[in-house]
Amino acid sequence: NSKVIQTPRYLVKGQGQKAKMRCIPEKGHPVVFWYQQNKNNEFKFLINFQNQEVLQQIDMTEKRFSAECPSNSPCSLEIQSSEAGDSALYLCASSQGPWAEQFFGPGTRLTVL
Amino acid sequence: GDSVTQTEGLVTLTEGLPVMLNCTYQSTYSPFLFWYVQHLNEAPKLLLKSFTDNKRPEHQGFHATLHKSSSSFHLQKSSAQLSDSALYYCALSEANSAGNKLTFGIGTRVLVRP
Repeated sequence: NSKVIQTPRYLVKGQGQKAKMRCIPEKGHPVVFWYQQNKNNEFKFLINFQNQEVLQQIDMTEKRFSAECPSNSPCSLEIQSSEAGDSALYLCASSQGPWAEQFFGPGTRLTVL
Repeated sequence: GDSVTQTEGLVTLTEGLPVMLNCTYQSTYSPFLFWYVQHLNEAPKLLLKSFTDNKRPEHQGFHATLHKSSSSFHLQKSSAQLSDSALYYCALSEANSAGNKLTFGIGTRVLVRP
């Protein structure tokens, strides 16, 4: 069973508000991924890290999304100004290496009113 | 870019009957293929992954074979169980891609009835 911890499990924000969610990867997993799963259950890759460095990320042209994985702290994903279309399940996954199996956390379900 | 196409919508079947979910893919490089299963209100869990040496992976009675010639990685089980009711996702990652991000298909909902 996955030991990826995500908090909070549920997050409700008004439009324009900041939304921040956190992820603690499994112990010993230096690679962390963030995915967005929308109401149609479609997955969208957002960003991944190896230790503190970004490996890949989507073109965040809107610049509303930011993420980091600081040393000795949980990883985080933040939406600066939430929009209704951001309502989704945000899944964090971790792995032992870039090519190893990804283990998913339970997700943070964001609802933007 | 990469893409995954899988059996769409809802697949309803009777317990004990075989299951087959289709998955085909397009990829620039040699990808790794995966099947993930997601039960209601749970995290996706890895069910199967492709091997580079043409072994057929099996788990929980499910198996899948990577056919590079047809770009397919269909999921099969000879006898469905009620507990197999879930969302199933086929996904790929490119071997030449830094970071190993997964590209998912749209998902297939399986409902097994008694």
